[in-house]
Amino acid sequence: QKEVEQDPGPLSVPEGAIVSLNCTYSNSAFQYFMWYRQYSRKGPELLMYTYSSGNKEDGRFTAQVDKSSKYISLFIRDSQPSDSATYLCALANAGGTSYGKLTFGQGTILTVHP
Amino acid sequence: EAGVVQSPRYKIIEKKQPVAFWCNPISGHNTLYWYLQNLGQGPELLIRYENEEAVDDSQLPKDRFSAERLKGVDSTLKIQPAELGDSAVYLCASSLSRSGELFFGEGSRLTVL
Repeated sequence: QKEVEQDPGPLSVPEGAIVSLNCTYSNSAFQYFMWYRQYSRKGPELLMYTYSSGNKEDGRFTAQVDKSSKYISLFIRDSQPSDSATYLCALANAGGTSYGKLTFGQGTILTVHP
Repeated sequence: EAGVVQSPRYKIIEKKQPVAFWCNPISGHNTLYWYLQNLGQGPELLIRYENEEAVDDSQLPKDRFSAERLKGVDSTLKIQPAELGDSAVYLCASSLSRSGELFFGEGSRLTVL
């Protein structure tokens, strides 16, 4: 079993829809939770970053972390065609030799059509 | 401010040939990472540097892969000899801290024939 599980999709939604992307994880040592967006033939770019349970909002994006269930989510409101990309969850430990090492999910391919 | 710069962007080689990738991190970032990304997968860490020191190379296949980061700035990742299964995107990233806020380059896409 992988440490981080993410549904690869693909996910196709109409413009304006609310998108929900999710990851589950098995290692309770993960303390940092991130979402990266990756456009085709580009490197990943950081979208959201949090280190605690609860919600964090940034514009149209909301990241949600539930440590008790080992479940993280990214919600995109009023989705736009420019949101079409692969979304990767990434988790990191807080201590020891693994400090700062990111473990990525497989990525979910999202297409928002006009 | 310039981002992480990688070269070459694309490389096609025959199997058993050597190949090298170069990375210039964001100025002032002391932590540098090399990740491997296979098609349809998330990136996987190959090696992490703190300044010149490789602090995590447990996932680097040392029989054919090597990396260096001279003077704690630029880094080179080498594969010798390349195998068909090495076809992938090699991503370099850098960060100020080790808490996960990585900045990635655009990657070097390797095709081994």
